[in-house]
Amino acid sequence: KAGVTQTPRYLIKTRGQQVTLSCSPISGHRSVSWYQQTPGQGLQFLFEYFSETQRNKGNFPGRFSGRQFSNSRSEMNVSTLELGDSALYLCASSVGGGGENEQFFGPGTRLTVL
Amino acid sequence: QQQVKQSPQSLIVQKGGISIINCAYENTAFDYFPWYQQFPGKGPALLIAIRPDVSEKKEGRFTISFNKSAKQFSLHIMDSQPGDSATYFCAASKGSYIPTFGRGTSLIVHP
Repeated sequence: KAGVTQTPRYLIKTRGQQVTLSCSPISGHRSVSWYQQTPGQGLQFLFEYFSETQRNKGNFPGRFSGRQFSNSRSEMNVSTLELGDSALYLCASSVGGGGENEQFFGPGTRLTVL
Repeated sequence: QQQVKQSPQSLIVQKGGISIINCAYENTAFDYFPWYQQFPGKGPALLIAIRPDVSEKKEGRFTISFNKSAKQFSLHIMDSQPGDSATYFCAASKGSYIPTFGRGTSLIVHP
């Protein structure tokens, strides 16, 4: 079974630009969550999508948005990039979401904002 | 507000030693406590998990100890190996909610 894939793996942008990251979950998984990972803050939850609906949302500004398609693939968009947005963005998929549903993480997209 | 506090931030142990990572939580409604392991260049992967109805769970060299009254749980890695060098995250979840993660512990095991 193929794992979670994320594209691109690396991205360099400048302040003020916008970026779109993509995540393809494991086949059959309907929940996709996005996390921001930084050395000082660990894993910070951005949002979760389940069956094309945002089900949970973390404490991030509105510049961060996402969506999920009917095939469960998900995209995350960050507009008006700031230097502080430089981070590893991880996507995780699971069968049903939280609780005891194991989350399977992708390798992440490393975003650098200059 | 950080709901899951993890310590230490970094840990160095010698091969064959015991690695101990601690986590404390605030929300008594949490009912599932997984640990994730992350190697450089990879996403985190589930290592071991425990529910609050048991005080300990062991899988090979990895053991979770759980203290419900103290709202604390810890990961013990026995006979630590260089291949265990990774970042470890504890987490806690309630019902169908997405887990809340600790900030991570970078473990280095010296040969």
